[in-house]
Amino acid sequence: NAGVTQTPKFQVLKTGQSMTLQCAQDMNHNSMYWYRQDPGMGLRLIYYSASEGTTDKGEVPNGYNVSRLNKREFSLRLESAAPSQTSVYFCASSSLAGADTQYFGPGTRLTVL
Amino acid sequence: KNQVEQSPQSLIILEGKNCTLQCNYTVSPFSNLRWYKQDTGRGPVSLTIMTFSENTKSNGRYTATLDADTKQSSLHITASQLSDSASYICVVSSGGSYIPTFGRGTSLIVHP
Repeated sequence: NAGVTQTPKFQVLKTGQSMTLQCAQDMNHNSMYWYRQDPGMGLRLIYYSASEGTTDKGEVPNGYNVSRLNKREFSLRLESAAPSQTSVYFCASSSLAGADTQYFGPGTRLTVL
Repeated sequence: KNQVEQSPQSLIILEGKNCTLQCNYTVSPFSNLRWYKQDTGRGPVSLTIMTFSENTKSNGRYTATLDADTKQSSLHITASQLSDSASYICVVSSGGSYIPTFGRGTSLIVHP
């Protein structure tokens, strides 16, 4: 039982390059989330998927897209990376959206040059 | 607007000492409040969850309190250990939203 897994762990991009961050959970959770964490800012929600087949914007969605591929997998895509997207990205899942405990992955540290 | 404020922003204590972290919130309607611990380089992990009717809940050396009337919570750490060095994040869920509100966290450093 791996919980929430994320790939890659580290990534360096040049401005304008694209990439997809992968996330998978094996807890049969309905809801999944993508956050970014910057020093002094705390965790900020980018996008979430309350259930399979639905996605919604969070607090900071600009410059990102998501895909809920199936119940297990939720990917985050940067179409044209910018230095402002340098951050640590966390994926999380919960049984139900909102009030349930969220289980977080180990994070992806992304640097955009 | 729902908000969660945590204090202090950072705290340094000596091993073996106690400390208390504070969380004030304006989330409404209130559903529950969680404290998460985030070790450096890792994702947050839930420590405790408190609902409206609960005043105190313990998890080992961690004790959380909730005053729903004043919308305040605290996390008390007893006999601190080096492994308690981490960021502690207060998260409040609202009955009317899919999205919980996160505080910015308190960074705790425990020195030997």
